[in-house]
Amino acid sequence: SAVISQKPSRDICQRGTSLTIQCQVDSQVTMMFWYRQQPGQSLTLIATANQGSEATYESGFVIDKFPISRPNLTFSTLTVSNMSPEDSSIYLCSTGDRGGHEQYFGPGTRLTVT
Amino acid sequence: GENVEQHPSTLSVQEGDSAVIKCTYSDSASNYFPWYKQELGKRPQLIIDIRSNVGEKKDQRIAVTLNKTAKHFSLHITETQPEDSAVYFCAVLLYNFNKFYFGSGTKLNVKP
Repeated sequence: SAVISQKPSRDICQRGTSLTIQCQVDSQVTMMFWYRQQPGQSLTLIATANQGSEATYESGFVIDKFPISRPNLTFSTLTVSNMSPEDSSIYLCSTGDRGGHEQYFGPGTRLTVT
Repeated sequence: GENVEQHPSTLSVQEGDSAVIKCTYSDSASNYFPWYKQELGKRPQLIIDIRSNVGEKKDQRIAVTLNKTAKHFSLHITETQPEDSAVYFCAVLLYNFNKFYFGSGTKLNVKP
């Protein structure tokens, strides 16, 4: 399985600011996804990060709020923009092989917005 | 899209007993069904998966069964141990859209 790292592991941010989360994979992967997991809840897909094109966002998530980059097959970033306390959550990136099978998760970024 | 329902939301068993968690899905085009275990403060870990052309898969104390006709699949843990205590999530891959839908999770507590 791919080894996935995320930076930062946690952060405390002020309302109205932005935070960029990085996801690095140790091998080239076809699919990369970004999820949000609020305390005690399940995983909610934010978007699929597409290499070389715009990310595909799920209902309820927009590019202005969660811009995503994927410059190559091993790296992606998620920015949480103009943050509010409601954005406090754990953000996880994940990877999938061709066809999206066998998805693996990064360690997550715990974000607290004050 | 896909609608995944997971039951029960919490499950408490005595060490050595079996635990069963069930998920149902709505889209017959779904073709891959993984289960994840998430310990407190850690990332979800893939523990077992099954593809739509298989009815059952077993890995030591863990097994998954799939009923495509009824659109449900289940996780079976036998001889439970305290270290099995965690939150378990089922997921469904909607193949044509290359994305996963997750169940709401089951918190399993194994009492020693």
